[in-house]
Amino acid sequence: EVQLVESGGGLVQPGGSLRLSCAASGFTFSSYSMNWVRQAPGKGLEWVSYISSSSSTIYYADSVKGRFTISRDNAKNSLYLQMNSLRAEDTAVYYCARGRVVEGYWGQGTLVTVSS
Amino acid sequence: DVVMTQSPLSLPVTLGQPASISCRSSQSLVYSDGNTYLNWFQQRPGQSPRRLIYKVSNRDSGVPDRFSGSGSGTDFTLKISRVEAEDVGVYYCMQGTHWPRTFGPGTKVDIK
Repeated sequence: EVQLVESGGGLVQPGGSLRLSCAASGFTFSSYSMNWVRQAPGKGLEWVSYISSSSSTIYYADSVKGRFTISRDNAKNSLYLQMNSLRAEDTAVYYCARGRVVEGYWGQGTLVTVSS
Repeated sequence: DVVMTQSPLSLPVTLGQPASISCRSSQSLVYSDGNTYLNWFQQRPGQSPRRLIYKVSNRDSGVPDRFSGSGSGTDFTLKISRVEAEDVGVYYCMQGTHWPRTFGPGTKVDIK
């Protein structure tokens, strides 16, 4: 069974940093591209970042470019999102999702709250 | 960026009646490989999104056949043939052809 489990969320002050993790199981992680998608409280879905299976191709939404860094460790079946210079508008549930086109496998999400 | 629009944004439906959601993209979603990467997601209250439809009209495993997708180019539709209580939630279209990936604003479906 495919499982994606996010962790690392929490409360952080504006300007602070946080690192999210997504632990994958039930499939050959190294063969799949991965994404981060977020959802602000009561709002819609926003794609954040993409990384190819070998990490050779990476994309970011303009809203996070220069502040967030996506990475992966195929040996540990893990996906990461390093978030720096956090702003109030980054407050959201962050989901990891499998696939180049965003497939049907998503985690349960981890909540990031940016507030003083 | 490709802008995805949906209508209506709110859809009160009667149980057992059909429902239809429209999704339009600001650019063609036909990819260089000939495929059209338009997904539909359902998000029930308090849950993670669940993909219902991929590449315009392909139902994901386990999705009831009352859900169907259609369309081409820039115009797409999600139809529910007979709405059931478990269909309450927000429905999003998403394009997977262009970078950045973009979602529609969502259509909230609830029961009248």
